[in-house]
Amino acid sequence: ETGVTQTPRHLVMGMTNKKSLKCEQHLGHNAMYWYKQSAKKPLELMFVYNFKEQTENNSVPSRFSPECPNSSHLFLHLHTLQPEDSALYLCASSQGSFYQETQYFGPGTRLLVL
Amino acid sequence: GNSVTQMEGPVTLSEEAFLTINCTYTATGYPSLFWYVQYPGEGLQLLLKATKADDKGSNKGFEATYRKETTSFHLEKGSVQVSDSAVYFCALSAPNTNAGKSTFGDGTTLTVKP
Repeated sequence: ETGVTQTPRHLVMGMTNKKSLKCEQHLGHNAMYWYKQSAKKPLELMFVYNFKEQTENNSVPSRFSPECPNSSHLFLHLHTLQPEDSALYLCASSQGSFYQETQYFGPGTRLLVL
Repeated sequence: GNSVTQMEGPVTLSEEAFLTINCTYTATGYPSLFWYVQYPGEGLQLLLKATKADDKGSNKGFEATYRKETTSFHLEKGSVQVSDSAVYFCALSAPNTNAGKSTFGDGTTLTVKP
């Protein structure tokens, strides 16, 4: 499934840098999500957007700032990150936010914070 | 709260062996149950799902049956191939939550050797 794309695929940044992750879905979905996947830890939901409106912020530190300009695009702006923020960041989308919906994931951005 | 417990890995099998990955859950009401698979370097993709008790999800030779009485959704395949090597995630999504609030298991890494 290549309906959800993410760029960049790999990112190395220093703790003082500012960078952004981009996600685009080509499936006509209305809900989009950011997840963090760290080694040895369960998948962590970070943010949920439904029809461009943020409906969930799972106690994510303010150094992560999401933006959803339209239903097809989702950004994650990063600033002053910590080394423990190094992880795979996955974007996902679903047709709606109903609990029976299937989520479609992008390939992820592998982030390393030095 | 909701929870998903997966069989711990890693699991190593020879090609054509029978696969079972156990998954049990705790949830109120009647959740939807999912198996997602993550191939190396990729995001998660839906393998199969079941939305009500006694439903059987199936795809690519994999099967799982929603067992309400044992709160289980075990993944099975009769004859695995090298190409099935991946990480498998069991997940649930409960009524009155949105799709993004799915609860994921920790993942089980499967390696199939020729």
